Amino acid sequence: AQSVTQLDSHVSVSEGTPVLLRCNYSSSYSPSLFWYVQHPNKGLQLLLKYTSAATLVKGINGFEAEFKKSETSFHLTKPSAHMSDAAEYFCVVLLRGTGGFKTIFGAGTRLFVKA
Amino acid sequence: DAMVIQNPRYQVTQFGKPVTLSCSQTLNHNVMYWYQQKSSQAPKLLFHYYDKDFNNEADTPDNFQSRRPNTSFCFLDIRSPGLGDAAMYLCATSSSSSPYNEQFFGPGTRLTVL
Repeated sequence: AQSVTQLDSHVSVSEGTPVLLRCNYSSSYSPSLFWYVQHPNKGLQLLLKYTSAATLVKGINGFEAEFKKSETSFHLTKPSAHMSDAAEYFCVVLLRGTGGFKTIFGAGTRLFVKA
Repeated sequence: DAMVIQNPRYQVTQFGKPVTLSCSQTLNHNVMYWYQQKSSQAPKLLFHYYDKDFNNEADTPDNFQSRRPNTSFCFLDIRSPGLGDAAMYLCATSSSSSPYNEQFFGPGTRLTVL
C-alpha cells in the first residue's frame, strides 16, 4: 500500500533553534515528494520538491529536505526557526501508476515557534 | 503574477441552501482539483478535471458537483449543504506536461453552514 506518515503531529521549537519535521513514505514506485506549508486560513504553499536530480533539496525560506531512499524518508529541516515559520506543514507524495497520478497527503505537522 | 484565485474567501450559507464556490487560474494549467479541508486535517481530494475529463473520488458524496466551463474556471456546487460540509475548500492546479506535476493552491474558501 502507498502511504505517507508524518511522524509528529506537533513540533515545538524556540526561535533560532533548528527545525526537524519528519516524513516517511511507502511506495512501490519511484515517487515525487513535496513539502507544503499552510498558514492559518490560507492555501498551501509549495516549500520544495524532490525531483530525483539531487537528494538534498533546497526550498524557500531556508528550508531543506533530504531524500533517503534506504530509509524511505524525506525529512524537512531548517537551521534556525523564525516566528513566521509557525504553521502547518504537509508532506505529499505523488505517485505515478498505470492509472495516472495519485496524490497522497500526510496528516500534517503543526510547528510552534516560541520566542 | 500567475496565480490561482478563489472567490469568495468566506461564504456563509444556510442548511440545505445550494452554494457555488469559484476558482480561476492564470497559469494555463490543464488539471484542476477541488479539496475539502476540515479543521486540523489534511486536505481531502473531492474530484479533479484532467482537461475536460471529470474524475470523481470514490468517496465523494453526490451532494458535491463540479463544472469546468473552460480552462481557466472551475466551480464547486454543493447542492444541499449540511452542517458537516462546513470546511475550507481548496482549489489547486497542475500541468500534466510538468515532469513533477506539483500542485499550486488557491487561498481557499471558508464555508460556514448555519
